[in-house]
Amino acid sequence: QSALTQPASVSGSPGQSITISCTGTSSDVGSYNLVSWYQQHPGKAPKLMIYEVSKRPSGVSNRFSGSKSGNTASLTISGLQAEDEADYYCCSYAGSSTFGFGGGTKLTVL
Amino acid sequence: EVQLVESGGGLVQPGGSLRLSCAASGFTVSSNYMSWVRQAPGKGLEWVSVIYSGGSTYYADSVKGRFTISRHNSKNTLYLQMNSLRAEDTAVYYCARDKGYYDILTGYYASGAFDYWGQGTLVTVSS
Repeated sequence: QSALTQPASVSGSPGQSITISCTGTSSDVGSYNLVSWYQQHPGKAPKLMIYEVSKRPSGVSNRFSGSKSGNTASLTISGLQAEDEADYYCCSYAGSSTFGFGGGTKLTVL
Repeated sequence: EVQLVESGGGLVQPGGSLRLSCAASGFTVSSNYMSWVRQAPGKGLEWVSVIYSGGSTYYADSVKGRFTISRHNSKNTLYLQMNSLRAEDTAVYYCARDKGYYDILTGYYASGAFDYWGQGTLVTVSS
C-alpha cells in the first residue's frame, strides 16, 4: 500500500479559502470514489471530515468540501477560522480491502 | 453514545509480543467493519488492519504475518495481537469504526471512512 502525496504545509488568513491536494495513482484514488479526509489536533484522535470524496458527516461544517479529478483528490476549507489549524490527512481505498493514508498536511491559520 | 477505549499498550523488547484491546460501547463490533490505524511519534497515520462483519481480515504489508486482528463478540471488543515486534512498530495505535460502503455490483465492504476513533494506546518497542 503506497502512501498518498500531500503538501507538507499550507497556510491562509482568517476568512480565506485553502485547498489541500492528495495525489495517488490509478490503483487507489483514480479507481475508487472512496477518499476520506481527517482533521487531527495535537494529542487528539483524528476526526472524519469528508468521506466518499465529497460527503460530509453530520456535524461537520459546510465550510469543508471535497472533490476529485483523476488521481488527485482535494479538500477545500472556506472561511478559514483559527480552530481549523490542525493536521489534515487523506485516505483512499487501495483495492483488496486495504487503505492508504497521505503523509499529512499541517494547516497554519495566519 | 458510541465509545471506543483502547488498552494494552506499553514497552516491549524487539521480537516480543503484545495484545491490544479496544472495548466498544454504543454499537455492536461484530456488525461493523473495524480497523486498527497507527501513528508513529511525530509521523502520519498508517492503516494496519481491518476485520469485516463476516470475519474476513486484511492487513497492511508492513504487518502481514506478524499481526492478527480478531474480536470477541460477547465482550464487544476488538483485538490486535502483535508478534515479532520491531522498533518501527512503535506508535500510538487507534481502533476505529468504518462507515462501510455499498456497491450495487460488489456488495458491502470497508470504505476507509472511519467515523469513530478511540483515544489511542502507545506501543513502544525498545531494548
